[in-house]
Amino acid sequence: EAAVTQSPRNKVTVTGGNVTLSCRQTNSHNYMYWYRQDTGHGLRLIHYSYGAGNLQIGDVPDGYKATRTTQEDFFLLLELASPSQTSLYFCASSETGRVFFGKGTRLTVV
Amino acid sequence: GDSVTQTEGPVTLSEGTSLTVNCSYETKQYPTLFWYVQYPGEGPQLLFKVPKANEKGSNRGFEATYNKEATSFHLQKASVQESDSAVYYCALIGGYKVVFGSGTRLLVSP
Repeated sequence: EAAVTQSPRNKVTVTGGNVTLSCRQTNSHNYMYWYRQDTGHGLRLIHYSYGAGNLQIGDVPDGYKATRTTQEDFFLLLELASPSQTSLYFCASSETGRVFFGKGTRLTVV
Repeated sequence: GDSVTQTEGPVTLSEGTSLTVNCSYETKQYPTLFWYVQYPGEGPQLLFKVPKANEKGSNRGFEATYNKEATSFHLQKASVQESDSAVYYCALIGGYKVVFGSGTRLLVSP
């Protein structure tokens, strides 16, 4: 079974703070994604990548950067965190259309 | 861009009653469609890939149908159980992006 591991699982930061969310997949999938999940909005795509060094802009990219350093590792960066970025973040990897999600990182910006 | 719109929730049912969740989509590409389920505290997981038009697929007692002409697809279960309480997402893959609907929360009471 495909494995996607996110860290940390919970994070609290202050407004204006700098946060990095990490994701590692061990399935050699080409595609990786970052989503945020909020009540009433479902899963919204922030950024995605189809390989090391590649980055594609998703549907809600404002305030977020991402970097794919290797086939396995995909990072989401919030350089000036704001309360509106308080959310549950999911990383996922995909091959042949089947998407495997991590367990999520709950981020609170106070 | 690609989009999916699904039945709004929450949907509250008693055990033994039937469930239908509807999704419609828009895409300029040939669609690949999926149903995902998310249990509390976990990331979404694949329920199954929707089969070709006018064919039925099934998994865990759920069935999926797809109406290509109406650009819609549906998730059904004849008799729900309390353990089916979860959030159900329809999803569309167009190109590299995976687009999810807003989710339908199902609450099943014993």
